[in-house]
Amino acid sequence: KAGVTQTPRYLIKTRGQQVTLSCSPISGHRSVSWYQQTPGQGLQFLFEYFSETQRNKGNFPGRFSGRQFSNSRSEMNVSTLELGDSALYLCASSDSRGGDTEAFFGQGTRLTVV
Amino acid sequence: AQSVTQPDIHITVSEGASLELRCNYSYGATPYLFWYVQSPGQGLQLLLKYFSGDTLVQGIKGFEAEFKRSQSSFNLRKPSVHWSDAAEYFCAVMNSGYSTLTFGKGTMLLVSP
Repeated sequence: KAGVTQTPRYLIKTRGQQVTLSCSPISGHRSVSWYQQTPGQGLQFLFEYFSETQRNKGNFPGRFSGRQFSNSRSEMNVSTLELGDSALYLCASSDSRGGDTEAFFGQGTRLTVV
Repeated sequence: AQSVTQPDIHITVSEGASLELRCNYSYGATPYLFWYVQSPGQGLQLLLKYFSGDTLVQGIKGFEAEFKRSQSSFNLRKPSVHWSDAAEYFCAVMNSGYSTLTFGKGTMLLVSP
């Protein structure tokens, strides 16, 4: 079974631009969550999608958005990039059966804003 | 709101020595707890998890963790560390009813020869 796939692995963008990151979950998993990892703040939850609906949202500005498609693939978008958005963005998928579920992580997308 | 504390930012252990990484959590209900490991520039790999039942859980790569409700702790242990264990370790609690995780700040493990 293929794991969680994130594309691209690396991105360099200029301040003010926007960026879209993609995540393909494990086949059969309907929940996709996104996390931002920075040296200063650590791992912070961005949002979670389940069956194309945002189910949970972290404390990030509206510049961060996401969506999920009918095949469970998810994208996250960051508009008007700031230098502080430079981070490793991690996607996790789970089957979200409730109870003893676990999250499987992709390799991440390293975003650098210059 | 739930929170996770990993009091040690860095730990250095000699190869072959035992290891214990500390994790304390704050959560209102019975927690679902996890330990993940991350190598530089990589994603997170699950080491072990606790949902219920036996409070001593075994994981991959020879790791184990013990859930102690009275101390709100979920410490990670390994009897003999290998150089390949050098990485960053994260403790996390799962948000009940969802699939989202709250992470600690991580502990960087350095292994000396």
